[in-house]
Amino acid sequence: KQEVTQIPAALSVPEGENLVLNCSFTDSAIYNLQWFRQDPGKGLTSLLLIQSSQREQTSGRLNASLDKSSGRSTLYIAASQPGDSATYLCAVRGPSGNTPLVFGKGTRLSVIA
Amino acid sequence: NAGVTQTPKFQVLKTGQSMTLQCAQDMNHNSMYWYRQDPGMGLRLIYYSASEGTTDKGEVPNGYNVSRLNKREFSLRLESAAPSQTSVYFCASSEALGLNTEAFFGQGTRLTVV
Repeated sequence: KQEVTQIPAALSVPEGENLVLNCSFTDSAIYNLQWFRQDPGKGLTSLLLIQSSQREQTSGRLNASLDKSSGRSTLYIAASQPGDSATYLCAVRGPSGNTPLVFGKGTRLSVIA
Repeated sequence: NAGVTQTPKFQVLKTGQSMTLQCAQDMNHNSMYWYRQDPGMGLRLIYYSASEGTTDKGEVPNGYNVSRLNKREFSLRLESAAPSQTSVYFCASSEALGLNTEAFFGQGTRLTVV
């Protein structure tokens, strides 16, 4: 059974810092991995989708990396802003495109002005 | 672009009452999912439909039923609500084949069972 772990559970940083959120998964037979953002009381917003054959994916100040063989992904946020404060969720899909996503419990990020 | 639409957004039920949560997507996706989100437990899969005409149990299916009404709509029914079903329910959809199986989520239904 696939298990997804996100460390740390919570993180507080001053504005302007670069930061890394970690995600690990137990079964490396994944189809892809997706990072989401969730604001309090809201739904999930997709940030990045990274295919199992890719090593990284970038969108603006966000960069996600994937090391499938070691079961790890990182989400790098450059020059953090107070508006980045949210919970970040990692989810893996595998082994085929129509299998459901399995989620980690998230990292709650606070960026202090 | 509506994306994934869930109704209702909030609901309070008494123990033993029944209700149906509605979900519709306008992205022509094959696969649809129902998750629940509880503090400390993360998002857990209740049921999913990999394609129109099929449904499968997820991690926590007890107390729920689903109907894939057509390609657009996937409903979740609570036949006899229990306080343990107090949660936030999310519907999601994605394409099933190819490279772009990015999942999109609705805004959630906040359900309280008293």
